[in-house]
Amino acid sequence: DAKTTQPTSMDCAEGRAANLPCNHSTISGNEYVYWYRQIHSQGPQYIIHGLKNNETNEMASLIITEDRKSSTLILPHATLRDTAVYYCIVRVLKGWYALNFGKGTSLLVTP
Amino acid sequence: AAGVIQSPRHLIKEKRETATLKCYPIPRHDTVYWYQQGPGQDPQFLISFYEKMQSDKGSIPDRFSAQQFSDYHSELNMSSLELGDSALYFCASSLGGTSGTYEQYFGPGTRLTVT
Repeated sequence: DAKTTQPTSMDCAEGRAANLPCNHSTISGNEYVYWYRQIHSQGPQYIIHGLKNNETNEMASLIITEDRKSSTLILPHATLRDTAVYYCIVRVLKGWYALNFGKGTSLLVTP
Repeated sequence: AAGVIQSPRHLIKEKRETATLKCYPIPRHDTVYWYQQGPGQDPQFLISFYEKMQSDKGSIPDRFSAQQFSDYHSELNMSSLELGDSALYFCASSLGGTSGTYEQYFGPGTRLTVT
């Protein structure tokens, strides 16, 4: 799996958009970008994934650059409950392969 | 919607004892994964099973073993426990094979404390 680089921590005011960047410059053509988050000591939670097109679901939007070397997870209206560690993971789209959690971004949403 | 169930939620054992953690995947999910998260660390992959066969292996100690049963539930067996085994153990499940998008759904974890 390609290596990813994320900022260690970020702050965001409640109600504002949280934009979490991820660099994955060695990504291969068949690797997808997945985002998970972990709220303190809870099980990680799947957020969204994509290959090259921008993706949106009820939780977030994922913007992938045209060269696919970086991406941004967008939480459009952050709430206090979005305070968590966010992990950007690059992997092939295949069943039964592990998620390699690197050093994610600790997002703090403040009132 | 049904989620991944893990039992027990908390477990306290002494050094050199054994422990068994159980995981019940989301209905119709055929793949189970085990992860270990030490204090202040990120989750680390241990082992996974697809259709009752081991499918991938991470940094699982030789003292640990796991299996997936015919009803797809899985058990992680840990022997000769050490203080360093104290951690949160997460189970996740997904649809494997050639269908689905393979996102993993995690259980609430089992907190193991070794004294």
